[in-house]
Amino acid sequence: EPEVTQTPSHQVTQMGQEVILRCVPISNHLYFYWYRQILGQKVEFLVSFYNNEISEKSEIFDDQFSVERPDGSNFTLKIRSTKLEDSAMYFCASSGAPGTGGKDYGYTFGSGTRLTVV
Amino acid sequence: TQLLEQSPQFLSIQEGENLTVYCNSSSVFSSLQWYRQEPGEGPVLLVTVVTGGEVKKLKRLTFQFGDARKDSSLHITAAQPGDTGLYLCAGGLWGGADGLTFGKGTHLIIQP
Repeated sequence: EPEVTQTPSHQVTQMGQEVILRCVPISNHLYFYWYRQILGQKVEFLVSFYNNEISEKSEIFDDQFSVERPDGSNFTLKIRSTKLEDSAMYFCASSGAPGTGGKDYGYTFGSGTRLTVV
Repeated sequence: TQLLEQSPQFLSIQEGENLTVYCNSSSVFSSLQWYRQEPGEGPVLLVTVVTGGEVKKLKRLTFQFGDARKDSSLHITAAQPGDTGLYLCAGGLWGGADGLTFGKGTHLIIQP
């Protein structure tokens, strides 16, 4: 079963530092996403990426956040200057071609990166 | 802003019993997905429903999408301890790259 791989699994950083979270989506998927889940809260959409550009982003995804697909396989989320409230699990996900039905309509999520800002 | 309300928030039942959990919204979604999430892990897709009134079965799990595509239910027959976990519903809109709106989930405990 193809997997979405995320690294690192845990990251501790000091407030104000930059962090880069890395993801390797499923190779033949077209859409890539970042979600976050603050402890005890629901999963929240951050951003979607298609055809090498941001497709949609939520209010959470402000100027401190950026995404990149630098080499055709990795998909990264950068937080420029971390704040305490950025502490959360960050999930990367990928999907095929929505609207075509079948398995590709659903997402495959990675296991997440637990980010702790101190 | 779309919201998905899941109920109940917590459910603890005995092995062998049947149960139904619900996912409701005032908004129409083009698809409704159900996930299961284990502690410290990412959500794992169980099923996607896309047609109003659609029913899908996955062994002892039955998923239904409401006729108006605003609600969904998950029914488990003869629950087993292995069904214990957090069940999430998530709604998607037209447009492939739209983010999913997740509910807060139902924490299910099946006691042996």
